[in-house]
Amino acid sequence: QSALTQPASVSGSPGQSITVSCTGTSNDVGGYKFVSWYQQHPGKAPKLMIYDVSNRPSGVSNRFSGSKSGNTASLTISGLQAEDDADYYCSSYTSISTYVFGTGTKVTVL
Amino acid sequence: QVQLQESGPGQVKPSETLSLTCTVFGGSISSGGYYWTWVRQHPGKGLEWIGYIYDSGTTYYNPSLRSRVTILIDTSKNQFSLKLSSVTAADTAMYYCARDRVWSFDYWGQGTLVTVSS
Repeated sequence: QSALTQPASVSGSPGQSITVSCTGTSNDVGGYKFVSWYQQHPGKAPKLMIYDVSNRPSGVSNRFSGSKSGNTASLTISGLQAEDDADYYCSSYTSISTYVFGTGTKVTVL
Repeated sequence: QVQLQESGPGQVKPSETLSLTCTVFGGSISSGGYYWTWVRQHPGKGLEWIGYIYDSGTTYYNPSLRSRVTILIDTSKNQFSLKLSSVTAADTAMYYCARDRVWSFDYWGQGTLVTVSS
């Protein structure tokens, strides 16, 4: 299984909105509503930010939102803040009952 | 509050078997409804899903690692484990255990770095 494709980097100024894409195939992203997003700060474990395409776990800011169209999922961060500076990974369930992660995106707050 | 903690050797010799254990605190590993997962991250690289196990013992593995991976569960100790055989330098990575709440990973261990070196 190939990693899902994400842009290597995305940047924005404080207060702006940015979107990170995650492109897969009909065997993963396009075939299921089981896309999740993770935030990872340096030296830390990943943190679940979005599950089932667009749902936020308790405690995650509503500045984070997710969506999906076809084989591409997206994570949008609105009102960008300094603490959002981190790596972000998408993940999808697959047709062979496994999971695949995205290549990862470095979000930089300018 | 559920917590997971990885443990095991920080260094393994080439061709040997990497063995790690994840202990679950704050909840029963056999409470049902969750899968117990291993993920790794090569230095400076992205996340790679290794595999998961259900409390029944059902397992699924990454196809690229399937021939070398075994995940086991010990409900009496509230632990699950990872064994990766015939390791090479390419298996040097941070290894994380996590809880799969179906279909996302909501709790993670802090990770343990395993270096493959003679």
